[in-house]
Amino acid sequence: ELKVEQNPLFLSMQEGKNYTIYCNYSTTSDRLYWYRQDPGKSLESLFVLLSNGAVKQEGRLMASLDTKARLSTLHITAAVHDLSATYFCAVDLRGYQFYFGTGTSLTVIP
Amino acid sequence: EAGVAQSPRYKIIEKRQSVAFWCNPISGHATLYWYQQILGQGPKLLIQFQNNGVVDDSQLPKDRFSAERLKGVDSTLKIQPAKLEDSAVYLCASSLDGRQGMRAPLHFGNGTRLTVT
Repeated sequence: ELKVEQNPLFLSMQEGKNYTIYCNYSTTSDRLYWYRQDPGKSLESLFVLLSNGAVKQEGRLMASLDTKARLSTLHITAAVHDLSATYFCAVDLRGYQFYFGTGTSLTVIP
Repeated sequence: EAGVAQSPRYKIIEKRQSVAFWCNPISGHATLYWYQQILGQGPKLLIQFQNNGVVDDSQLPKDRFSAERLKGVDSTLKIQPAKLEDSAVYLCASSLDGRQGMRAPLHFGNGTRLTVT
């Protein structure tokens, strides 16, 4: 069974600081997705990473994928309060099965 | 484009009662998923449809959960009878195509929050 682990589970950071969220998975896959979830809301797609070495950036968030290490990172640059949310990575197995990580709850403190 | 529609938004039932959730995916999306999200956890796949056929239901508790997708569009997820541990948010998602080689992200509905007392 595919296991997808994220760390940290909880992250409290000050505005303006940088930090990285890690997503490790246990089975070979070259497709990984990052989602954001605000409290009481549904999941919103952030990034789609489709190959080894893929890097995507949107605003203060940058995601990367290392398929050999089975690792994806979500880097936050100069955090702002609006980034407070829970972030999930999801690994795509066999091209159509999505397995979600445990989630990282991010709180950005002014 | 209109998003994934789900109803109801909230549901409170007593244990051993039945409940049904409805989902209308984005028009043209062949693949539909039902996920269960327990508070503080990531979504867990319950069942996946490709058009009106089941692709994966390995994690669906079939003694109490059932799902169907009539005519390859709308879908209904039913729980009968409900248990306390079924309290969760039930998310419906759809994507353009779930076949090997297609890499479209999932589009999620707002979910149905179920509380079993």
